[in-house]
Amino acid sequence: GAVVSQHPSRVICKSGTSVKIECRSLDFQATTMFWYRQFPKKSLMLMATSNEGSKATYEQGVEKDKFLINHASLTLSTLTVTSAHPEDSSFYICSARDQNELFFGSGTQLSVL
Amino acid sequence: KQEVTQIPAALSVPEGENLVLNCSFTDSAIYNLQWFRQDPGKGLTSLLLIQSSQREQTSGRLNASLDKSSGRSTLYIAASQPGDSATYLCAVEPGTYKYIFGTGTRLKVLA
Repeated sequence: GAVVSQHPSRVICKSGTSVKIECRSLDFQATTMFWYRQFPKKSLMLMATSNEGSKATYEQGVEKDKFLINHASLTLSTLTVTSAHPEDSSFYICSARDQNELFFGSGTQLSVL
Repeated sequence: KQEVTQIPAALSVPEGENLVLNCSFTDSAIYNLQWFRQDPGKGLTSLLLIQSSQREQTSGRLNASLDKSSGRSTLYIAASQPGDSATYLCAVEPGTYKYIFGTGTRLKVLA
């Protein structure tokens, strides 16, 4: 199947700093990528849809200025958590669609101290 | 609003047992249903994708069925192994590529 690479796998940062997470489709082009957030023992919640060359579409309740998404190429989307606070600590996962199937990155565990 | 429920939430079985995981959804108007596996602290691995026109898919020891009219899907795992221990998630796509996930079933296969 298709491969989606996500980096870093783990980030620990101080409150107030910004963190960038990268999501790459390695063997296919993805005009659309998706960013999810997962709390411990909870399911995945879609945060936003990242569109290559245009603005991201955010789900209701997700702060656009807090979670900046850039999709500058057909193989790369980035999620920047700006001015991170402890409540932003979570597991973030990206995904991309290849043909009719959804493939996921390995996730990023963000811990904000 | 589409809701996806998975039962049971957790399951512990001895090695070699056949088992069934259940997924139900409230709105039958879906395009795809996909089953995933998630290991602790990891991303998701796609197991099986069932398109709306299909009723089942098989891969190795896994078989997934879909009954849209009743809003149900099952994932059958044959001859379970300790390596099958993980959380299994089902997700439905109602359209526009946005997946809605269930809360998962945590499976533990005992050696």
